[in-house]
Amino acid sequence: GQSLEQPSEVTAVEGAIVQINCTYQTSGFYGLSWYQQHDGGAPTFLSYNALDGLEETGRFSSFLSRSDSYGYLLLQELQMKDSASYFCAGLFSGGYNKLIFGAGTRLAVHP
Amino acid sequence: DVKVTQSSRYLVKRTGEKVFLECVQDMDHENMFWYRQDPGLGLRLIYFSYDVKMKEKGDIPEGYSVSREKKERFSLILESASTNQTSMYLCASRSTELNTGELFFGEGSRLTVL
Repeated sequence: GQSLEQPSEVTAVEGAIVQINCTYQTSGFYGLSWYQQHDGGAPTFLSYNALDGLEETGRFSSFLSRSDSYGYLLLQELQMKDSASYFCAGLFSGGYNKLIFGAGTRLAVHP
Repeated sequence: DVKVTQSSRYLVKRTGEKVFLECVQDMDHENMFWYRQDPGLGLRLIYFSYDVKMKEKGDIPEGYSVSREKKERFSLILESASTNQTSMYLCASRSTELNTGELFFGEGSRLTVL
């Protein structure tokens, strides 16, 4: 199968670090993406990991471990504007590449 | 910048009506996708198209069909709308050249079926 699991909600305070985990089923898996979506907005792409390891882009980092079928998004120096929903999405091939999304993690950042 | 444009932000239709949701992208992307988004369920893939006139079913294709006659345009069709199709519909496109998991999304079409 092709599905992804992530926590439904995470709460943190400004300035803190938060990690959002994502596990996936491996059938046809190519890589893992992360998206951010603010209320009322469209999802926007944050990162993509095809290889094991950590990818850093400013305050956000994304990690993938293919052997553990697991990845995470790490958000540092949290700001109020980071309050949003975060989706992991697996790139899978069943002949043609398609992206399957997790149910999303709602991050609430408090002062 | 890539632009993905969905024809209607808000639609209200009646049960049994035929509904067309249009999506146009301006970056010559090969792949286009239709998702629906419901609270607590994330984005679920309805259909995708990997090239003109080519389509593949996603995870929840029942009650929907699609059309891709031109590379830039991907239409989602609800042949006979039902109340359980009330949802936010998101169109996205992707370049196969980059071969990454980056999708470009439209702003969404919120459909209410009465």
